Amino acid sequence: DIQMTQSPSLLSASVGDRVTITCRASPGISNHVAWFQQKPGKAPKSLIFAASTLQGGVPSRFSGSGSGTELTLTITSLQPEDFATYYCQQYHAYPWTFGQGTKVEI
Amino acid sequence: EVQLLESGGGLVQPGGSLRLSCAASGFTFSQFVMAWVRLAPGKGLEWVSSIADTGRTFYLDSVKGRLTISRDNSRNTLYLHMRSLRDEDTAVYYCAMYRPGDYQPPYDYWGQGTKVTVSS
Repeated sequence: DIQMTQSPSLLSASVGDRVTITCRASPGISNHVAWFQQKPGKAPKSLIFAASTLQGGVPSRFSGSGSGTELTLTITSLQPEDFATYYCQQYHAYPWTFGQGTKVEI
Repeated sequence: EVQLLESGGGLVQPGGSLRLSCAASGFTFSQFVMAWVRLAPGKGLEWVSSIADTGRTFYLDSVKGRLTISRDNSRNTLYLHMRSLRDEDTAVYYCAMYRPGDYQPPYDYWGQGTKVTVSS
């Protein structure tokens, strides 16, 4: 199975900060990664697929990059509504796997 | 407008059975990959199962032989048949829509979730 190691698990930040979350894939997954945001009691929200393609309606402060074994989600100028838990997910091969999650807190 | 509406969750004893449903509308259901993803208490998201537009199915190892995904394209409904349930199956189960093809990235269409609690 493909392992997705996500870091950090907890990220303390302030409004306006730039934050970066990393997923390391083993083995490599090309660009077959999606990023999700989840808030308590809500369904996940897909932000990015194919490593860097934003889903419709997602603000441009979200961006994704990387390929192979290191994939990154960046949020420039963190907004109050961005405090949530973020997950990467590989769809390169079954079984699909998620990273462990990164909680972005104030 | 795409809508996914799950139902069928509840409290069940260990070893029991449930059938989850996900009613889809607003798109041509038969043409897309559908998946079940769960969130257990205190844990992260976990992919459970997918069914392709071709009908091919895929499972998380720990649910193989106990959970069965199916789809009824005439009813635009996705199912998850759950049997021999264990404590560790306790979670909120979401259905989600993914793109067809060799690699199947997600859309941003998810149900609201249905809660399954396995407990005696």
